[in-house]
Amino acid sequence: QQQVKQSPQSLIVQKGGISIINCAYENTAFDYFPWYQQFPGKGPALLIAIRPDVSEKKEGRFTISFNKSAKQFSLHIMDSQPGDSATYFCAASKGTYKYIFGTGTRLKVLA
Amino acid sequence: ETGVTQSPTHLIKTRGQQVTLRCSSQSGHNTVSWYQQALGQGPQFIFQYYREEENGRGNFPPRFSGLQFPNYSSELNVNALELDDSALYLCASSLRDFNEQFFGPGTRLTVL
Repeated sequence: QQQVKQSPQSLIVQKGGISIINCAYENTAFDYFPWYQQFPGKGPALLIAIRPDVSEKKEGRFTISFNKSAKQFSLHIMDSQPGDSATYFCAASKGTYKYIFGTGTRLKVLA
Repeated sequence: ETGVTQSPTHLIKTRGQQVTLRCSSQSGHNTVSWYQQALGQGPQFIFQYYREEENGRGNFPPRFSGLQFPNYSSELNVNALELDDSALYLCASSLRDFNEQFFGPGTRLTVL
């Protein structure tokens, strides 16, 4: 019940395209859902986050869509750029406690 | 405002040895969480410290221990190192009543 399942494992997108990464969770007590971007050899950097009382949140080219009834949330990267090539992790937490991370999606944006 | 810093950047140890990793929190943050990230995997929660006390622990054995100091910096200690302990160890700092956790660059530990 503590798992966060993330898909796809890897994704290749053309420059200017839309990248979509999906996550699903089981624990309905989770109340905070962040997305992190990680470049090789670096720590994860917070991209955007959402709470379950909101169905969508947009920050620049990054959008989170949240479906509380389906217990799913997704990250959309609009106008994907080669500089977006990285590994993306979704996570979930209850309160301010530990994050449960997904297994990651390796995104490659072709120039 | 300085971000989360970790030291050392890289470390090579042999099986059975002990290691200490260090983390300095982002300015003003009072909570530190440690994560282990194996190659190609998502980070796994080890434990969290608040007010110099352990505030929850993940599925890691007692040979993983930690400390938090009055200035909110923290240490992760691992005894009796095993080959499977080879990973990137991440420290994340946060404010107690806020969800956002900010990660440092990590320490890459290799156990031979």
